Amino acid sequence: QLQESGPGLMKPADTLSLTCTVSGGSMNNYYWSWIRQSPGKGLEWIGSGTKYSSSLKSRVTIYVDTSKNQLSLDLTSVTAADTAIYYCARHYSGRGYFDYWGQGILVTVS
Amino acid sequence: EIVLTQSPATLSLSPGEGATLSCRASQSISDYLAWYQQKPGQAPRLLIYDASNRATGVAARFSGSGSGTAFTLTIAYLESEDFAVYYCQQRSDWPYTFGQGTKVEIK
Repeated sequence: QLQESGPGLMKPADTLSLTCTVSGGSMNNYYWSWIRQSPGKGLEWIGSGTKYSSSLKSRVTIYVDTSKNQLSLDLTSVTAADTAIYYCARHYSGRGYFDYWGQGILVTVS
Repeated sequence: EIVLTQSPATLSLSPGEGATLSCRASQSISDYLAWYQQKPGQAPRLLIYDASNRATGVAARFSGSGSGTAFTLTIAYLESEDFAVYYCQQRSDWPYTFGQGTKVEIK
């Protein structure tokens, strides 16, 4: 299981920090991504490892702590456009598809 | 970045009917394409990977085809639980990108 945690409400210009805790298995031997979905909109891949979305790469950092079985996301200088449901997801069989997803966490910037 | 364009935006069909969803890539992505199903309030669910392979537990009425720039998700006959939004996603090149989605709604 994957469970996202973090603040639900942010102020503009702050830094968003989210954590995804993986339970029921090891994070080793898998790749992991963050994906977001703005309200009523489509899906946007944020990044994995050192690869990031073109539009977000100047503001985002993703890191994994395998000792804690956690994936983390930092997004700096948030604006209302960053309001979204943020998902963590596991890559399927080492490929860039996503077979396990967290339930998502809604982050509102206001 | 590779742009994926899905059509139609909305498909209005009755249970039992078949559905054909299209996804076109702005450049060749070989067969590096997946399809997801998303229901309200839920995370997406992987249905098809590498264009034509069903993910574990996915019903046989779902099938995918295509390569290069043109891809299709076919639902042979719609069950009530299939009414949802469907997204395509490519892993051919960074950054990974998704299509904007096709909503399959009950007519």
